[in-house]
Amino acid sequence: QVQLVQSGAEVKKPGASVKVSCKASGYTFTNYAMHWVRQAPGQRLEWMGWINAGNDNTEYPQKFQGRVTITRDTSASTAYMELSSLRSEDTAVYYCAREGAYCTNGVCYKDNWFDPWGQGTLVTVSS
Amino acid sequence: DIVMTQSPDSLAVSLGERATINCKSSQSVLYSSNNKNYLAWYQQKPGQPPKLLIYWASARESGVPDRFSGSGSGTDFSLTISSLQAEDVAVYYCQQYYSTPYTFGQGTKLEIK
Repeated sequence: QVQLVQSGAEVKKPGASVKVSCKASGYTFTNYAMHWVRQAPGQRLEWMGWINAGNDNTEYPQKFQGRVTITRDTSASTAYMELSSLRSEDTAVYYCAREGAYCTNGVCYKDNWFDPWGQGTLVTVSS
Repeated sequence: DIVMTQSPDSLAVSLGERATINCKSSQSVLYSSNNKNYLAWYQQKPGQPPKLLIYWASARESGVPDRFSGSGSGTDFSLTISSLQAEDVAVYYCQQYYSTPYTFGQGTKLEIK
């Protein structure tokens, strides 16, 4: 079955960077986009960007432009999200999530709902 | 950016009763070219990642119980649980994937009355 396994919890100081990994299994990695979403305490889910795992194209929302970088290693079926210049407001659980797909009669229709999700990685930013 | 607003923020329903959660988008998420609404619903239980329930506003994900249904079009959507079970206690989120940045509602906490 499709599974996304993320790296473990991190504690970082303000101004530092963090890189979270997301290892995919159970499907052809390069056939699907991977998204990153974060959930800060008491806040709504927040989309951080995505990568087309096939052609390496990325897109980031304006809020995170210049601070977030999403990459992938196709040989390892792994996506990465690096967030720099960390501040206390970046304390959150970070999730990777694959783009969704609906398959029927051997044809798959993909779009940007998120399924499945990784288990989440808690990043704590504290001095 | 498309703003997603859910109502209510919290909801308490008796076991076996119907629960309805609403989601309103600040602009239409209906693509006229394919007549599909780019709206998904997720369920999140404590300590777990969100789980997809519904996509294209009304298509139930495989394995999701048929007591969950999605409806609506354009800017107004609903998630209905026809007969609440104890395991449905969770926070529910809507999400639009019509345009980037993809955005979520603030969540609705569903409890047992």
